[in-house]
Amino acid sequence: QQQVKQSPQSLIVQKGGISIINCAYENTAFDYFPWYQQFPGKGPALLIAIRPDVSEKKEGRFTISFNKSAKQFSLHIMDSQPGDSATYFCAATQKGGYNKLIFGAGTRLAVHP
Amino acid sequence: EAQVTQNPRYLITVTGKKLTVTCSQNMNHEYMSWYRQDPGLGLRQIYYSMNVEVTDKGDVPEGYKVSRKEKRNFPLILESPSPNQTSLYFCASSLMSKPGLEQFFGPGTRLTVL
Repeated sequence: QQQVKQSPQSLIVQKGGISIINCAYENTAFDYFPWYQQFPGKGPALLIAIRPDVSEKKEGRFTISFNKSAKQFSLHIMDSQPGDSATYFCAATQKGGYNKLIFGAGTRLAVHP
Repeated sequence: EAQVTQNPRYLITVTGKKLTVTCSQNMNHEYMSWYRQDPGLGLRQIYYSMNVEVTDKGDVPEGYKVSRKEKRNFPLILESPSPNQTSLYFCASSLMSKPGLEQFFGPGTRLTVL
């Protein structure tokens, strides 16, 4: 079973809109939650990450919101641009888990001009 | 330029014909890992290595082998490929001192087994 559940599978947003991707987890031993961005034909690349002692982290137009009690976290992309069109993966790692990334299923985002 | 390279990028083969996908990194990273990416499943770890001569199974190791004889190289070996190993494969590396942080991925190898 998927340890990190991600939704939606695909998302279409108009330019300038807000893109929201949600993830949920069950394992309370997870202690680091990165988001990876993948463009077609490329490998994933780290976009932004958060630890559970913080409820929000913002980097430019990208914000992670984290709800520890609900075991949920989400990625918000403000003022979405066509260049943001990519597949986004949420992930989690576990303390003592030897750098292992446990990925969600991915969300394919298309931002239309 | 700091990077992870993989070869080949594309490979079509037949069932049972042994193949090797190479992975090399130039960042002096201790940790290296192989993932496979399948639609609807995200990326799943196949094998990982924390240093030279230290390797261990990930979540989906069946049908795969790895070796880590040099720090920079971490080849993935399919001794007898089967159609269910048709997938997109990624090699990744990172520093052990930063668990989970800054994993750098290669460009991927798309494998088709007929």
